[in-house]
This record gives sequence, C-alpha cells and structure tokens, in this order.
Amino acid sequence: GAGVSQSPRYKVAKRGQDVALRCDPISGHVSLFWYQQALGQGPEFLTYFQNEAQLDKSGLPSDRFFAERPEGSVSTLKIQRTQQEDSAVYLCASTMYTSDTQYFGPGTRLTVL
Amino acid sequence: DQQVKQNSPSLSVQEGRISILNCDYTNSMFDYFLWYKKYPAEGPTFLISISSIKDKNEDGRFTVFLNKSAKHLSLHIVPSQPGDSAVYFCAARNNQGGKLIFGQGTELSVKP
Repeated sequence: GAGVSQSPRYKVAKRGQDVALRCDPISGHVSLFWYQQALGQGPEFLTYFQNEAQLDKSGLPSDRFFAERPEGSVSTLKIQRTQQEDSAVYLCASTMYTSDTQYFGPGTRLTVL
Repeated sequence: DQQVKQNSPSLSVQEGRISILNCDYTNSMFDYFLWYKKYPAEGPTFLISISSIKDKNEDGRFTVFLNKSAKHLSLHIVPSQPGDSAVYFCAARNNQGGKLIFGQGTELSVKP
C-alpha cells in the first residue's frame, strides 16, 4: 500500500510569511508524529497525535508552530511568521500504535529567505 | 543536552568488508532502540531495532548489539555493499511514549 506522503516537497517562504505543511499518514495508522531536521543533524521531535488528540507538543519550538489533525487522518503543521531559523526539513511519521515502528514520509524542505 | 550521540560523522568501508556504526546514549529510561537509513531527499527508512531486554538482534546482513551497562549500541553490516551508502541514524525511545530521540547520524560510504 501507499506510504506516508507529504506536500509540498519543497517550500520557499519569505521571512514573515505563514506556511502550511501537509502529512498524509498510512491508511489506518492511529499515531502521527512530526519532526524537524536541521542541516547536518538528526530529526528532532515536534509533536505527536493519537487519532485527533494531540498528546504531546513539548517539542514545538515556539507558539508560532501549530499542528492539527482534526479528523484523525491528515495532519497539517502550520508555521506563522516564518523566521530564517525555521529553515529545515519537516518529517512526518505514522504508526499503527504508539509503540510500533515509525514509518517516515519524504519530508518537506522549507527554506525561509 | 544530546541524549543520543553518534560520534563519527562519517565512515568509509571497502565493499565486502564489515561496517560498524556506533551510538551512545545517556538516558537509562530508554527501552527501545532503532536504526534508520536515509538517502538524500528521502525520509528515514527503518532498518532494525532492539529491545532493552535483549543484547543482540539480527536481520540478514544487519546485526544490532546493545550493551546496557555501557549505554552503547552498534550496527554491524556484513558484507557491506555499495547500495548501503547512506546516512544512518540511531534512535531511542523511552517507556513513556512514542517519540524518538535521534543521534546526529553517520554517513557511510561503501567503495567498490
């Protein structure tokens, strides 16, 4: 079946613009995770959903970052008033259950000019 | 504070030889460890995992070893193939949730 998909694959934003990044998890997967990967670093946890409930948002770097998953499937990560330090690859992963292996999408590369 | 560390940014190995990638962690609450492989412009792909109750897990050419007392794990690839050239990430999870803590990655280059 289809894996995790993310869109857009690449996004260029001017500083101060708002952006929205989409994640389509594997069908039927209950848990969904967002990670941020800066250049030359490993992915860092941002937030996690179980169905539509956001159970952990401890990794969101500021209140400019907001994530939602209103119907328990597709998720959107929104970044308001983007800053240059937000430039990174944003990865989404999904699992059937929280403790299962996480399967990652290809990521969205965000560049803030 | 880096809870998972991969101290070697890169590793070069001859085709057919063994590749050994290392990972150290500091948090004794971690109970599950994973290795992911990443090609450029793709997301990480799961490779192999190990629970803290085991000290070894094997899957084909890939073996992961866990030394809990040393808080150290390693991934062995035997024999190495050019297609194994990628960035390898070690990740850990504690028993309180699903989020993964990743190391910085090691770029493996397998030369023909």
